[in-house]
Amino acid sequence: AQKITQTQPGMFVQEKEAVTLDCTYDTSDQSYGLFWYKQPSSGEMIFLIYQGSYDEQNATEGRYSLNFQKARKSANLVISASQLGDSAMYFCAMRERGGSNYKLTFGKGTLLTVNP
Amino acid sequence: DVKVTQSSRYLVKRTGEKVFLECVQDMDHENMFWYRQDPGLGLRLIYFSYDVKMKEKGDIPEGYSVSREKKERFSLILESASTNQTSMYLCASSLEGRNQPQHFGDGTRLSIL
Repeated sequence: AQKITQTQPGMFVQEKEAVTLDCTYDTSDQSYGLFWYKQPSSGEMIFLIYQGSYDEQNATEGRYSLNFQKARKSANLVISASQLGDSAMYFCAMRERGGSNYKLTFGKGTLLTVNP
Repeated sequence: DVKVTQSSRYLVKRTGEKVFLECVQDMDHENMFWYRQDPGLGLRLIYFSYDVKMKEKGDIPEGYSVSREKKERFSLILESASTNQTSMYLCASSLEGRNQPQHFGDGTRLSIL
């Protein structure tokens, strides 16, 4: 079974609108961390935001926020006021406490296109 | 800002060659990682290292080896390159800790002919 599922292969959004990118995860650990990364067409992976499983509040970083619903095992990324430069692949990733303490498991990604 | 530098952005090699991909980080991170990224398969972990001279296999170590002689440098070695190793290779580093993000280099697009 996939540990990280991103069900939207591609998404389109109009400039200045908000967009939600979905991520669900599967773990039996109580302690874990969730990350979102952005990968523009140039190839580099850029860290956006982190949510810990014990964090009571949803994480926010500028225009990025994470809608964390622990019971549903979902960690959706919300981008507010989309900009043309937000067009990129977005990856959700999880680090679990069990097994290797260092390993990140990535989803297959969502390609976001922001239209002018 | 964390800087992770990969030695080449693009590389073309021939089948059977020994190939070295180098990665250097400047933030004294304990952990370093090598991934490959292929369309439809996402990022897959090849090897990682949590300390100098320490390494652990990731999900797809076959055909690869690694070397970490100094804390800042992590090398990926393709012992005898094959065409199925044509891919995008990404290096990352992080501090210890569950909440520490991995910081990535710009990637190396490797083609094996």
